[in-house]
Amino acid sequence: DADVTQTPRNRITKTGKRIMLECSQTKGHDRMYWYRQDPGLGLRLIYYSFDVKDINKGEISDGYSVSRQAQAKFSLSLESAIPNQTALYFCATSDRSDSTDTQYFGPGTRLTVL
Amino acid sequence: KQEVTQIPAALSVPEGENLVLNCSFTDSAIYNLQWFRQDPGKGLTSLLLIQSSQREQTSGRLNASLDKSSGRSTLYIAASQPGDSATYLCAVKANSKLTFGKGITLSVRP
Repeated sequence: DADVTQTPRNRITKTGKRIMLECSQTKGHDRMYWYRQDPGLGLRLIYYSFDVKDINKGEISDGYSVSRQAQAKFSLSLESAIPNQTALYFCATSDRSDSTDTQYFGPGTRLTVL
Repeated sequence: KQEVTQIPAALSVPEGENLVLNCSFTDSAIYNLQWFRQDPGKGLTSLLLIQSSQREQTSGRLNASLDKSSGRSTLYIAASQPGDSATYLCAVKANSKLTFGKGITLSVRP
């Protein structure tokens, strides 16, 4: 969905480096999410935020941190990247006023940690 | 803890065939269930969303059903086409969080 953008789209880094993945949305949604996807696995929730002052851990938050700089921006950081964090990362948004709470996904960031 | 299962992991069919993709979940206390399509290396596109009070949803050649009590959903694709080749993910929502299955990779042969 073009309303949810992720930068960078691809990133190769080395073990131990600090990496930040950014997500921006123009949908005006208050809720934002970060997921990772590994080959042969479904998406797993890393962190989620229901508004600017609300941050929650998901299923696999260890090794990650997030920052909700504004309603439209939600960044994911890897403080010291390790090879098993190589994955496809997705950002998603939803709106609490939407009764279906549908999530809209960004195009993904492919991260490779060498 | 909710678990979502999609079997088989991969499926190959000839063009024109009608097919059913299955999804099962362990906790029936869901808010809704959603089917997504994912093309290789790309993001997720929402296909159909079924609220917990609904039994099915239709969009074009796609029909999704939900049997919450038995923890099952099916995605029916009519008259499959090579362009339907993709990975299909099922996800259930509870407590504002989505739990995904691992997906079924569908290949439709011309």
